[in-house]
Amino acid sequence: DAGVTQSPTHLIKTRGQQVTLRCSPKSGHDTVSWYQQALGQGPQFIFQYYEEEERQRGNFPDRFSGHQFPNYSSELNVNALLLGDSALYLCASLDGPNSNQPQHFGDGTRLSIL
Amino acid sequence: QKEVEQDPGPLSVPEGAIVSLNCTYSNSAFQYFMWYRQYSRKGPELLMYTYSSGNKEDGRFTAQVDKSSKYISLFIRDSQPSDSATYLCAMKAGGFKTIFGAGTRLFVKA
Repeated sequence: DAGVTQSPTHLIKTRGQQVTLRCSPKSGHDTVSWYQQALGQGPQFIFQYYEEEERQRGNFPDRFSGHQFPNYSSELNVNALLLGDSALYLCASLDGPNSNQPQHFGDGTRLSIL
Repeated sequence: QKEVEQDPGPLSVPEGAIVSLNCTYSNSAFQYFMWYRQYSRKGPELLMYTYSSGNKEDGRFTAQVDKSSKYISLFIRDSQPSDSATYLCAMKAGGFKTIFGAGTRLFVKA
């Protein structure tokens, strides 16, 4: 049973560039959430996707956008990268947006901005 | 004030010690409480999941929730060097987003 998979594992970008991160949810899960985890901090909620729509959003600017595909996989896009966007980006999946079950996480994409 | 407060540590204990990790929170709507373990360069791994107040035990791990005090704890018995990791508390209210603490770094010395 495949868990949550993310790609790539590590990216290096420069300020002002754009980046796309990818996530495949755990088998049987249809809801994907994205989190940003800065060094020494807990994960911060960016947004959640279900039925190809953004359902909830955290306190992140519009530079952060996403997409969900019919196969439930998802992308996180970040435009106009800033140094402060350097972080571990985590994807988590659930079996429904109102599920009371805990989320399952991937190992993340480590994004470094130079 | 953050919704979830967690001492970042680091916490260093000898092998075999009982470890106590704690979080406090301010949102009385939280009903679901989780503890995740995160190794370096890895994603969070679910350790314990509890609903409302009470205790839950799983092997060497015990989770406690006291909703009246807005306080949750994770106890690790007979700690091992392999338990060295960052422990994240997390909580949510119904279908809403999960809120995490900052994580406590734990070192278990052989």
